[in-house]
Amino acid sequence: GNSVTQMEGPVTLSEEAFLTINCTYTATGYPSLFWYVQYPGEGLQLLLKATKADDKGSNKGFEATYRKETTSFHLEKGSVQVSDSAVYFCALYAGNNRKLIWGLGTSLAVNP
Amino acid sequence: EPEVTQTPSHQVTQMGQEVILRCVPISNHLYFYWYRQILGQKVEFLVSFYNNEISEKSEIFDDQFSVERPDGSNFTLKIRSTKLEDSAMYFCASSEIAGGSTGELFFGEGSRLTVL
Repeated sequence: GNSVTQMEGPVTLSEEAFLTINCTYTATGYPSLFWYVQYPGEGLQLLLKATKADDKGSNKGFEATYRKETTSFHLEKGSVQVSDSAVYFCALYAGNNRKLIWGLGTSLAVNP
Repeated sequence: EPEVTQTPSHQVTQMGQEVILRCVPISNHLYFYWYRQILGQKVEFLVSFYNNEISEKSEIFDDQFSVERPDGSNFTLKIRSTKLEDSAMYFCASSEIAGGSTGELFFGEGSRLTVL
């Protein structure tokens, strides 16, 4: 079946550090891939997405590239800020399931 | 910016009691969903709803759960007789197109349910 695996947190970084949160997936066919973010006290928000292989999603300085050969969609940011502290969820949508399949979420804390 | 709103933000209830969680989806959206997240676990799909009927539901969504769109704006999740294991954050979402096929579901802030 379809599944998403994310690196476990929590991740703690200093401001301006480089961030990578790993995400790999298992799916039949050609899923769309997403990163959602949940800031403290808020709901889930779509951060970025990629709908086909080699696409790069980007938003707010975050990037992720859809790598079919490694079935990965790692989230990166070159220089994190305190305001990036949140929980990040990797998710996939595959047409055969018609629903979002979620990773466990990775908590990020950025210290000044 | 339009948003999905959920009430209550937190509800504490006794085991066996009925609970209704309310959601107001974005007004021009046609597809509605409930997801839940038990603490420390993955976000799980519960149900999707379109054209006034359930279009899909998970194995979690058993007979104690029901959904309704009573008045064209609210979308409710009812748990008839709550169990301890129903304690979770419940997220409502809506989308313009079927199944959120591009993943662009718009989520509310969640309703935290605590069953004692």
